[in-house]
Amino acid sequence: EVQLLESGGGLVQPGGSLRLSCAASGFTFSSYAMSWVRQAPGKGLEWVSAISGSGGSTYYADSVKGRFTISRDNAKNSLYLQMNSLRAEDTAVYYCAKAPGLRIRDIVVVVAWGQGTLVTVSS
Amino acid sequence: QSVLTQPPSASGTPGQRVTISCSGSSSNIGSNTVNWYQQLPGTAPKLLIYSNNQRPSGVPDRFSGSKSGTSASLAISGLQSEDEADYYCAAWDDSLNADVVFGGGTKLTVL
Repeated sequence: EVQLLESGGGLVQPGGSLRLSCAASGFTFSSYAMSWVRQAPGKGLEWVSAISGSGGSTYYADSVKGRFTISRDNAKNSLYLQMNSLRAEDTAVYYCAKAPGLRIRDIVVVVAWGQGTLVTVSS
Repeated sequence: QSVLTQPPSASGTPGQRVTISCSGSSSNIGSNTVNWYQQLPGTAPKLLIYSNNQRPSGVPDRFSGSKSGTSASLAISGLQSEDEADYYCAAWDDSLNADVVFGGGTKLTVL
């Protein structure tokens, strides 16, 4: 069974940093592209970032480009999101998401979601 | 303002058929496949339809998807109370900053 378990969320001040982690199990992690999708309180879904199965290709939404960095450790079956220069508008539940293939474009189809971790940016 | 446009709300009575629309442009729906997600209250989203009209294993055939030009639709027949949820469409967008775009979501109420 595919399982995605996010951690690392919490309360952080504007301008601060946070690192999210996603522990994956139940599938060959390196064979699948992964992404982060967020949902602000009471709002819709927003794609944040994606990484190919090998880690060689990454994509970012304009809203986070230059501030967030996605990475993965295939040996540890883990996905990460380093978030710097955080703003109030980054407040959201962040979901770890699995694609059906290893290419970046595969991430438009999310076949498995984590339970989400809440990031709150506030002073 | 979402790149893909959905009605904010929809409703129907048990047993009825309802449709939810998703409107885009030539850079997204017009040139790529559409996917639909269902989000039940307080839970993570779930893949409902992929590649315009394909159902993942376990999704009832009451749910169906279609696409025409730059628009797509999700149809739910034989509406049930457990279908009350938020529904989102999504597609790849080939504009300058290629990425995944979502609709704003449609809240479906079963009356």
